[in-house]
Amino acid sequence: NAGVTQTPKFQVLKTGQSMTLQCAQDMNHEYMSWYRQDPGMGLRLIHYSVGAGITDQGEVPNGYNVSRSTTEDFPLRLLSAAPSQTSVYFCASSYSTATVNEQYFGPGTRLTVT
Amino acid sequence: GESVGLHLPTLSVQEGDNSIINCAYSNSASDYFIWYKQESGKGPQFIIDIRSNMDKRQGQRVTVLLNKTVKHLSLQIAATQPGDSAVYFCAEKDPGGYNKLIFGAGTRLAVHP
Repeated sequence: NAGVTQTPKFQVLKTGQSMTLQCAQDMNHEYMSWYRQDPGMGLRLIHYSVGAGITDQGEVPNGYNVSRSTTEDFPLRLLSAAPSQTSVYFCASSYSTATVNEQYFGPGTRLTVT
Repeated sequence: GESVGLHLPTLSVQEGDNSIINCAYSNSASDYFIWYKQESGKGPQFIIDIRSNMDKRQGQRVTVLLNKTVKHLSLQIAATQPGDSAVYFCAEKDPGGYNKLIFGAGTRLAVHP
């Protein structure tokens, strides 16, 4: 198993540009989530999904969209990038909502918005 | 992969010593507490968790202690090794709504030979 994969590893955007961060898992996990990690702060939940076709907002959803058309993929879309979205983004998955304490994390994407 | 932690508190220990990393949590209703390890350039990795109805849980070289009275969690690493150098995060599982994880800011563990 490849586990949780994320692309790209690095990305630089100009303010106002849009892009999609890709996340995929090959463990047949139902629960997937996106976090952002900023210096001096813990990971904060952006959006999550409890299964294909079902998504919901986390703590900091503004400026981001998600969709879950398949079990494997959970892309995160930045609609109009802002410097405040400069961060490291992690995708994670777990077998189910009940096992969210044992999430598997991807390697992360470092995003810089200028 | 990336890690973030430019302004984290740092615990420096000698190789072979025991390490204790502390964490305060906020929600008395949280039903799981988890420790993650994040090595440089990688995503967080699950280490161990503990249910709220337990005070102590042991794993391989690690022990987690939970004190619900003062909302305090600690991770003890026995015989610390250079490979233990990383940023350690505690997280609490909020049972409300969607079982989200609330992460602490993290502590950097530096192991010196």
